[in-house]
Amino acid sequence: EDQVTQSPEALRLQEGESSSLNCSYTVSGLRGLFWYRQDPGKGPEFLFTLYSAGEEKEKERLKATLTKKESFLHITAPKPEDSATYLCAVKYGQNFVFGPGTRLSVLP
Amino acid sequence: EAQVTQNPRYLITVTGKKLTVTCSQNMNHEYMSWYRQDPGLGLRQIYYSMNVEVTDKGDVPEGYKVSRKEKRNFPLILESPSPNQTSLYFCASSLTFPGQPYGYTFGSGTRLTVV
Repeated sequence: EDQVTQSPEALRLQEGESSSLNCSYTVSGLRGLFWYRQDPGKGPEFLFTLYSAGEEKEKERLKATLTKKESFLHITAPKPEDSATYLCAVKYGQNFVFGPGTRLSVLP
Repeated sequence: EAQVTQNPRYLITVTGKKLTVTCSQNMNHEYMSWYRQDPGLGLRQIYYSMNVEVTDKGDVPEGYKVSRKEKRNFPLILESPSPNQTSLYFCASSLTFPGQPYGYTFGSGTRLTVV
């Protein structure tokens, strides 16, 4: 069964404590993996698109990587303003499916 | 500014009273979609539209209607709302079928409560 999962469900970090979020997928014919940031009560905001295994993208404290089965969103030295829910989405065939998200809290 | 505009942002209504949530985009996008977001269930697609007068069901279409008479507008209609349609709704658009390079541009959301 085609599936997109994210782990952990929630993550609490101290400011400056680096960590990684995971997005795993079991789909055939991946055509793109997307990362979004969502603040409470707001629409998701685009962060990255990754197309092929080995690809990496960076933006400020965030770095996204992609393998054949999963993607990681690495957060280096996070700040409280990085607190949000991070969603991944996978495009395969004519499908575009979101994962359930990881809720990140960064404490000062 | 390129954006997707939804209205209203908040809506409380009673069971059975027809309502419409509007969505408009100013980016000349062909593809538009409605999602609902519920705790523990994530974003689920309700309906989508590939272009004017072309709409199709997503994963959870029951109880909803849409229309696409103009390229920029994609309203969501609840003809007889029920409490299980209480949710956070998002309209989203993409130049073509979502993918390269940004996936979707999302609206700010409509929080609907049906009592």
